Amino acid sequence: ETGVTQSPTHLIKTRGQQVTLRCSSQSGHNTVSWYQQALGQGPQFIFQYYREEENGRGNFPPRFSGLQFPNYSSELNVNALELDDSALYLCASSLARGRVGDTQYFGPGTRLTVL
Amino acid sequence: SQQGEEDPQALSIQEGENATMNCSYKTSINNLQWYRQNSGRGLVHLILIRSNEREKHSGRLRVTLDTSKKSSSLLITASRAADTASYFCATGNAGGTSYGKLTFGQGTILTVHP
Repeated sequence: ETGVTQSPTHLIKTRGQQVTLRCSSQSGHNTVSWYQQALGQGPQFIFQYYREEENGRGNFPPRFSGLQFPNYSSELNVNALELDDSALYLCASSLARGRVGDTQYFGPGTRLTVL
Repeated sequence: SQQGEEDPQALSIQEGENATMNCSYKTSINNLQWYRQNSGRGLVHLILIRSNEREKHSGRLRVTLDTSKKSSSLLITASRAADTASYFCATGNAGGTSYGKLTFGQGTILTVHP
């Protein structure tokens, strides 16, 4: 148990729709990162939020956006869903500014299927 | 893009045997971390080794890091059926703008037969 929760567990959407995934970080953790994991692949970094501001972004288009709230919760929003967005979405929380070297604690993930 | 490459892609052993997984990476790093994942679920942090460390132990786990070869290995001793999972190495890069970004390899699938 990492103390990081995600909802929903599974989600099915159709191409073109929008989706919001939610994450609740460990209490006291001020940094949250989101990763996308396609089947059979390692997770890929989407972006990171520190104290409610985006603090780094991977190679993902602007239709992937996020929010971080003061109560240690966060959201990942994806607009105009594409078939290739089907994946496991993982959030990870950490303390301090997520400096290189800080352990990241992962949630169980949300499995998104786009039809 | 993936930073690391794990080797082998899949490993099948008997309970009690040791399992060794290797990871290679391309750019300078600040640290390297190993994670475990059961059946496509969340990742569990196993161990972190910093770039100025050469070896680290945690229980039945032993991790080595060779920055000159840009490689790391994870050794699980006296394996158990419950160790069956996918294992990923992840690098925390030196510098850059993506503070705290982890770059993962594609993983090694370990199967331990009872």
